[in-house]
Amino acid sequence: DVKVTQSSRYLVKRTGEKVFLECVQDMDHENMFWYRQDPGLGLRLIYFSYDVKMKEKGDIPEGYSVSREKKERFSLILESASTNQTSMYLCASRPRLARLTNTGELFFGEGSRLTVL
Amino acid sequence: AQKITQTQPGMFVQEKEAVTLDCTYDTSDPSYGLFWYKQPSSGEMIFLIYQGSYDQQNATEGRYSLNFQKARKSANLVISASQLGDSAMYFCAMREAPMDSSYKLIFGSGTRLLVRP
Repeated sequence: DVKVTQSSRYLVKRTGEKVFLECVQDMDHENMFWYRQDPGLGLRLIYFSYDVKMKEKGDIPEGYSVSREKKERFSLILESASTNQTSMYLCASRPRLARLTNTGELFFGEGSRLTVL
Repeated sequence: AQKITQTQPGMFVQEKEAVTLDCTYDTSDPSYGLFWYKQPSSGEMIFLIYQGSYDQQNATEGRYSLNFQKARKSANLVISASQLGDSAMYFCAMREAPMDSSYKLIFGSGTRLLVRP
């Protein structure tokens, strides 16, 4: 089974702190994604990566950056956390050759719920 | 413009009855895919069912079926014989590209389903 692991299920940080959210997958997937989930808004894409050291902005990249130094790890960074970044963050991955799954779905981690005070 | 629309923020269904969760989408790409995910209160996103735009038949997976009406651009999820464990958030998502390209998924705002005993 594909395993996507997010390092922290719950975090509480203060405004202005630098926050790292880590995501590791064990299936050698090329593509990794960070989404943010808010009530009434669903999941919105922050950043994604098609390969090591590659990154692309999603729909809401402002206030975030990412790092992909190794294929299995994709980190989301909040340089200076703000209260409006309080949210659930979901990491996902999939293989580049999506036909390997027959459907091309994303595999998700369990989420990291971040509260910024 | 919203690409995926889920108009039902919340729904109730009696145990053992069937329920339909609505999803409409907007795309001009002839090759696309539609997904449904379930998110229980624990937070993980569980992939339920997939429909490709060229698939002739509606997708089915156990108690889940996807009512795909291409001309109306709708992809409603039907859950038959509801169980208490079906209580969760349900998200509709779309892939707007051929399966082997560098695509991402766009999600709707979700529908919270509560199954009554």
